[in-house]
Amino acid sequence: GEEVAQTPKHLVRGEGQKAKLYCAPIKGHSYVFWYQQVLKNEFKFLISFQNENVFDETGMPKERFSAKCLPNSPCSLEIQATKLEDSAVYFCASSQTLGLAGTTDTQYFGPGTRLTVL
Amino acid sequence: AQTVTQSQPEMSVQEAETVTLSCTYDTSENNYYLFWYKQPPSRQMILVIRQEAYKQQNATENRFSVNFQKAAKSFSLKISDSQLGDTAMYFCARTQGGSEKLVFGKGTKLTVNP
Repeated sequence: GEEVAQTPKHLVRGEGQKAKLYCAPIKGHSYVFWYQQVLKNEFKFLISFQNENVFDETGMPKERFSAKCLPNSPCSLEIQATKLEDSAVYFCASSQTLGLAGTTDTQYFGPGTRLTVL
Repeated sequence: AQTVTQSQPEMSVQEAETVTLSCTYDTSENNYYLFWYKQPPSRQMILVIRQEAYKQQNATENRFSVNFQKAAKSFSLKISDSQLGDTAMYFCARTQGGSEKLVFGKGTKLTVNP
């Protein structure tokens, strides 16, 4: 598609429940990034993929967060045993290329998934 | 920590006037990229403008232009002829490291008044 698609738009979970978010990057884009925007508007990088391979996972809270990008499937971000502090908007972004010969490509963002943990 | 600082939490401007949003950053890298994104109340992140650090020429996109001062690590956004639709949060961001992940400032809330 021409836009990054994210589902669902809203997700409500009780503390301790599992949450799974999905992202379909723009067709032809090889790189996928996940960011978390908390209610104070601050963005935090979580993880990035080059196709189905993890590219950078330095931002991932390893205990409860996991992510995948499998061929011919939307990428997913899963949170096991959600906590109140996981309440945020989760953005997925995709880009076509990455840093070839000193260039970088713009990251295009999806509409986000708002996760509310009660 | 290598950070991006937006020192103006909120700004307002009258329609048709010009406003400048400030952004400073810290980096030890020589080659990086800078972006301004707009986030209206819908929460959609919309690219406004990008600047390559190796280019001395300031980027422009219609009513939007930047003043990029590499030595000072400053990257301000100028919006000319402000329109009501420019009302939004504006985030400054830069790439970090080989993975090109984005580091964002905390945002400036811009209100354009009629």
